[in-house]
Amino acid sequence: EVQLVESGGGLIQPGGSLKLSCAASGFTFSGSAMHWVRQASGKGLEWVGRVTSKADNLAPAYGASVRGRFIVSRDDSRNTAYLHMNSLTSEDTAVYYCRVEEVAVRLDYWGRGTPVTVAS
Amino acid sequence: QAVVTQEPSLTVSPGGTVTLTCGSSTGAVTSGHYPYWFQQKPGQAPRTLIFDTRNKHFWTPARFSGSLLGGKAALTLSGAQPEDEAEYYCLLYYSGARVFGGGTRLTVL
Repeated sequence: EVQLVESGGGLIQPGGSLKLSCAASGFTFSGSAMHWVRQASGKGLEWVGRVTSKADNLAPAYGASVRGRFIVSRDDSRNTAYLHMNSLTSEDTAVYYCRVEEVAVRLDYWGRGTPVTVAS
Repeated sequence: QAVVTQEPSLTVSPGGTVTLTCGSSTGAVTSGHYPYWFQQKPGQAPRTLIFDTRNKHFWTPARFSGSLLGGKAALTLSGAQPEDEAEYYCLLYYSGARVFGGGTRLTVL
């Protein structure tokens, strides 16, 4: 059974940094791209970023609102993806989801999300 | 960054057919945008219904189909069921980055 479990969310002050984790199981983690998506309360989905597999050169990509502040990474030895968030503002308050995507094997699952609140 | 547009809300009768669309501020949506469609019900994480324009996952009900229509990506629901009431989001690919549409709230009534 595929499982994605996000962790690391919580309350953080404006200007602070936070690292989210996404622990994966039930599939070949090293071969899959990992995405991060967020959703502010009552709002729509926003694509945050993704990191490809090592075979695809671990290429990162980011949404416009987080580019230069957030970094996506992965540790295949731990089957875990990470989202490093810096210079946080209240606009970054949201539930953060991770998602696995590997089109070739029709793999596409979402975690349940972890909430991040940026406030003083 | 490109802006992806969806109808804010639509209503369909039980058993009826409805088409949701997904447009791009950069021009016509093509297969090169690899359109995705997601369904999200209140209090739940999203789930992926359609990938690469028209491909379904095993969990995607047969009544959902994806296509390109009039320069947009489209999600057609044929034979709507009460459980299809949800928010639907499209996602388009732009040279590595992805952009979500604002979502369509679908009511089955």
